[in-house]
Order: sequence, then C-alpha cells, then structure tokens
Amino acid sequence: DAGVIQSPRHEVTEMGQEVTLRCKPISGHNSLFWYRQTMMRGLELLIYFNNNVPIDDSGMPEDRFSAKMPNASFSTLKIQPSEPRDSAVYFCASSFRGRGAFFGQGTRLTVV
Amino acid sequence: AQTVTQSQPEMSVQEAETVTLSCTYDTSESDYYLFWYKQPPSRQMILVIRQEAYKQQNATENRFSVNFQKAAKSFSLKISDSQLGDAAMYFCAYRSVALNSYGGSQGNLIFGKGTKLSVKP
Repeated sequence: DAGVIQSPRHEVTEMGQEVTLRCKPISGHNSLFWYRQTMMRGLELLIYFNNNVPIDDSGMPEDRFSAKMPNASFSTLKIQPSEPRDSAVYFCASSFRGRGAFFGQGTRLTVV
Repeated sequence: AQTVTQSQPEMSVQEAETVTLSCTYDTSESDYYLFWYKQPPSRQMILVIRQEAYKQQNATENRFSVNFQKAAKSFSLKISDSQLGDAAMYFCAYRSVALNSYGGSQGNLIFGKGTKLSVKP
C-alpha cells in the first residue's frame, strides 16, 4: 500500500492567490482528516469526513477555507484568498474505524 | 468535549536508558482509543502504539509500551533502551469508538501539544 499521498509537498504562493491541497487516502479507509500544524498552535484539526461526508468542520478557520471529498479516494483543501497567516504544514490522514490514523507527508505552505 | 494533556514540553534521556512520557485525558465516554504518535524532524507523523480502552492489558510494540490507567485517565509511553533515532516530538491522541450513522467513528482524532524528546549519546 502506498500510504496517504499528499500533493504538493511544498507550495509557495503570493497573498491573495488560491491554493489547493490534495490528498489520496489509503484504499479502504473510511475516515479522512485535515490538520494544520504550526509552532504556535500545534496540531489543529480542520475538518474530518466519514464515508465522504463532512462530519465536523468546526476547526475550519474561516470562510476562506473549504474542503471537499467527492469520492472515497480523493479530497481537497482549498484556501481562497490565501494570507500569510495561513503559512503552515497541512496534513491529511486517513483511518478505518479505530485502527489509528495514518498520515501523509504533509504540504508545507508558505504565503508571501 | 474530550481533551488531551501532555504536561512535559521537553524530555531528555541517555542513550540505552528508559524514559516515560506522560499523557492525561478527559472524557465522559467509557470506550475509546488512545494512541502515541512520533514526529521526527522529517515531520512525518508515525503511529507508534495503540490502546483500546476496554482492554486492560497494556499495549506493547517492541521497545515501546504503555501504562494505561483508565480510572486515572492516564496513558503514559515508556521507551526502553532508547536510541538516537527515538529523538522526536511525541504526541498522545484520543479517539471515540462510538459509531455514527455513516458507519465511521464518531469523534475526531484529538491530539495533545506534544513532548519533545532528546536522546543524548
């Protein structure tokens, strides 16, 4: 199994631009999480899906952030417009029930 | 709401020695999962060990073991024979086991703030 695959690994963009982060979960997993990690705030849950349905998006900072999961093998996290304070490492993770979540390698986003 | 607390921001251990990282959590649920994750400088989040709350036996994975005290809501990680490669951030995490109508686990995966472990040669 290839594990959770995230793209891109690194993204540098200018303030105001749209950013799209992508995630392919492990096949057969039915939960998908998006996290953001910064030195100041640690690991924050943004949103999670069960069976492609968003269950809890209370961690999404504001309307500039949106996430979709059109099918069991793909999810996106979009930021529009991006701001410098959005700079962070964004992780996608997937799990099957309670067997622990497996993380992708993360996307390091820098907004200048 | 559930919370996870790691009270040790940093820990240090001598190579080949044993170290214990602390974690406490707060929940009103009777059944749940607990995890320890390792994040080395590469930033990859690696699942180290998993404990199901209904199991009294403490989980063990090679040099890693836990001390699960359900009544005290404590879940510590013991690393034996510490190696230089164990140096990393360690995160404790909690997840509810209850299923929702979609067939998935009810709760999200909640993390503590982490403990930075240094290993001295």
